[in-house]
Amino acid sequence: DTEVTQTPKHLVMGMTNKKSLKCEQHMGHRAMYWYKQKAKKPPELMFVYSYEKLSINESVPSRFSPECPNSSLLNLHLHALQPEDSALYLCASSPLAVSGNTIYFGEGSWLTVV
Amino acid sequence: AQSVAQPEDQVNVAEGNPLTVKCTYSVSGNPYLFWYVQYPNRGLQFLLKYITGDNLVKGSYGFEAEFNKSQTSFHLKKPSALVSDSALYFCAVNKEGYGGATNKLIFGTGTLLAVQP
Repeated sequence: DTEVTQTPKHLVMGMTNKKSLKCEQHMGHRAMYWYKQKAKKPPELMFVYSYEKLSINESVPSRFSPECPNSSLLNLHLHALQPEDSALYLCASSPLAVSGNTIYFGEGSWLTVV
Repeated sequence: AQSVAQPEDQVNVAEGNPLTVKCTYSVSGNPYLFWYVQYPNRGLQFLLKYITGDNLVKGSYGFEAEFNKSQTSFHLKKPSALVSDSALYFCAVNKEGYGGATNKLIFGTGTLLAVQP
């Protein structure tokens, strides 16, 4: 079972709403990630945090705003989203943000933008 | 540039038969290779990885994969398929020394495994 916990599991929001996705891990990992996944497609990297600092932003639109309050928590703040942003959002963590480290994924948050 | 290819969109196999899900990669330098499985409406689960050492890697749920440097392949195998193995399988790669604080995985397009009873 995954040790990366994501809430909520499902979220429906209007295009003018502000909402947040939350992620928590207690494995002592110092790297955390947000991925976006469309149905039957591979995950696409959005953000990487290393030691609570943003180290990669894959040119994600500013309507997605990540936050890492501490080494165990990762949030994704959502505002003024578009219907095409509807997807599965996966949080993940790894011991370090160094190649070769295994990335462990949560179960995801299903987002529907109406 | 790094890339991963999974040449089969779908693999069909009868329960009890051996299964193979193919993956080839393109990386300059030493590759780190991963397999993940995604069951319907779930997140990705880590199965196994190759970093260095023995070319045959054993992982979760009876799966194994063989690293073949000359063929740049990392095929996933299981001796006897179960219906419960039916899922979407992703191969992924990054490389030794890539970037700084990045650990950016490059995923293949995925292979849907269907095991018939």
